[in-house]
Amino acid sequence: QVQLKESGPGLVQPSETLSLTCTVSGFSLTSYSVSWVRQPSGKGPEWMGRMWYDGDTAYNSALKSRLSISRDTSKNQVFLKMNSLQTDDTGTYYCTRDLVPFDYWGQGVMVTVSS
Amino acid sequence: DIQMTQSPSLLSASVGDRVTLNCKASQNIYKNLAWYQQKLGEAPKLLIYNANSLQTGIPSRFSGSGSGTDFTLTISSLQPEDVATYFCQQYYSGSTFGAGTKLELK
Repeated sequence: QVQLKESGPGLVQPSETLSLTCTVSGFSLTSYSVSWVRQPSGKGPEWMGRMWYDGDTAYNSALKSRLSISRDTSKNQVFLKMNSLQTDDTGTYYCTRDLVPFDYWGQGVMVTVSS
Repeated sequence: DIQMTQSPSLLSASVGDRVTLNCKASQNIYKNLAWYQQKLGEAPKLLIYNANSLQTGIPSRFSGSGSGTDFTLTISSLQPEDVATYFCQQYYSGSTFGAGTKLELK
């Protein structure tokens, strides 16, 4: 069955870089796109960016200067890197299968930006 | 960027009630709209896509309507397990979510 699982550090220092991994199973990264979505506590989700099935990427214009998404198809993994983290980057980060819209979601990983 | 506005932000209703949630886009998004249900501590769950198509496995008491800028999610007969926050999402240009409607039991 389709599964996605996020992994990464729960605590990041201000101004540091966040690195997250999404490991997928039950589908191929060369057939389906994967998006990253984040959600501050008590607020609506925010789409961050997409790894297209063909290897191309798309980013939220508000985050584009700080964000990079890549993949390793041999390991069924999609990666997120975002630099210059601030406290308002705190929230739960999800990866999703992006079938336009998002039909499967990971459980999410809580990221806190704090010194 | 396309903005999504949901109303009301909080809705109280009784079991068996017909419930209507609203979502308005800042520009024409045709039918490129989805609805999600999020229960406390869980990831969002896709309910409706393309404005009115029911996702596989979702109960038929959920339905969506609208096109252009105005959309509606209707629950025909509210059940206790429907207590959750509901988000709309446009995917016509990039992707944007609304701030949500929290649905509680009266």
